[in-house]
Amino acid sequence: QKEVEQDPGPLSVPEGAIVSLNCTYSNSAFQYFMWYRQYSRKGPELLMYTYSSGNKEDGRFTAQVDKSSKYISLFIRDSQPSDSATYLCAVPTGANSKLTFGKGITLSVRP
Amino acid sequence: KAGVTQTPRYLIKTRGQQVTLSCSPISGHRSVSWYQQTPGQGLQFLFEYFSETQRNKGNFPGRFSGRQFSNSRSEMNVSTLELGDSALYLCASSLGLGTTDTQYFGPGTRLTVL
Repeated sequence: QKEVEQDPGPLSVPEGAIVSLNCTYSNSAFQYFMWYRQYSRKGPELLMYTYSSGNKEDGRFTAQVDKSSKYISLFIRDSQPSDSATYLCAVPTGANSKLTFGKGITLSVRP
Repeated sequence: KAGVTQTPRYLIKTRGQQVTLSCSPISGHRSVSWYQQTPGQGLQFLFEYFSETQRNKGNFPGRFSGRQFSNSRSEMNVSTLELGDSALYLCASSLGLGTTDTQYFGPGTRLTVL
């Protein structure tokens, strides 16, 4: 089983929709969970992170961790065309700064 | 503050050749990590350097190597290129080695192997 798995895409939604992006992880010892956003021809940038369990909100974005089911989610409210990008979940695994990423899901928000 | 820079941005090589990619981290950052991104496998960790020492290595063959200089700049080298090495190679820098240290990615080097 892979350490981090992400729902496959792509995903296309109309502007204003609520978007739910999901990942699962295998190791219950993981404590720190991240969401990166990658625009076309750019490197990934950290969007949000959560530590342990619960929710974290930042504007239109909410990151949620359910440790009982090893499930992490990113919700985007009132989605905008500028949200069109690839979203990757990531978890620090092993030593130091090594991150293990989900494969990413490409989101397209239609005007 | 300038972000992470990577050179070159695009590279075309043929099978059997070798290639060197360069990464300049954000000023003050001492940790540099390298990742390979492909449509099939996604983002995969290659290796990590801190204070000129490799601290962590991913599951890639020995053809992939790297180094870090005293100014924290890093290079990675791929020898005897294979078609499957075609990918976006991303460099990320962070202040230190902590698992919670934010990693800042460069725009990547797009390598095409013919």
